[in-house]
Amino acid sequence: DQQVKQNSPSLSVQEGRISILNCDYTNSMFDYFLWYKKYPAEGPTFLISISSIKDKNEDGRFTVFLNKSAKHLSLHIVPSQPGDSAVYFCAATSNTGKLIFGQGTTLQVKP
Amino acid sequence: NAGVTQTPKFRVLKTGQSMTLLCAQDMNHEYMYWYRQDPGMGLRLIHYSVGEGTTAKGEVPDGYNVSRLKKQNFLLGLESAAPSQTSVYFCASSGTGGDGYTFGSGTRLTVV
Repeated sequence: DQQVKQNSPSLSVQEGRISILNCDYTNSMFDYFLWYKKYPAEGPTFLISISSIKDKNEDGRFTVFLNKSAKHLSLHIVPSQPGDSAVYFCAATSNTGKLIFGQGTTLQVKP
Repeated sequence: NAGVTQTPKFRVLKTGQSMTLLCAQDMNHEYMYWYRQDPGMGLRLIHYSVGEGTTAKGEVPDGYNVSRLKKQNFLLGLESAAPSQTSVYFCASSGTGGDGYTFGSGTRLTVV
């Protein structure tokens, strides 16, 4: 049972445009959500997070939106840059300290 | 400031062989985790530890064992490797969970 789902395996956008990566979850106990970025041959690195008491968190070009009623979150990257090309993982946690990850979305930003 | 170090980085095993993957962290973190990454499956938690001397099962623990004898080390063992265990393995550590996760660079394991 996949508790965190990223239904788009890949996304391709033009440099300068907006990238929108989506994530759905099923466990209503999740109260903290994160996005990780992964380059080839490296481990994932933390990008941005949001608490369930908020509906938006912004950090520079990156914004995460949370819709609790729909159990859906999204990551917006504006403007997209070629260096943003990577695999993006959505993750969620409750008070257990364990992160449950989605399948990942490969983003390609074309110059 | 090494963070999380995984050894080895690559390994090829024959079916039935055993091996141990080592994870070491120098951040004095309490929590440590082992994940595997497979195409289309994302990162799946194998085992984790909430402190020295403790271990617990994650989502996909079968075929693996772990030990946390020292706070800074978390070992992942495969007693009898199977081709289904071909994967990239990531270790992570955390002080409090959530965005405190620091990942190692991974171990690519192939079982033939």
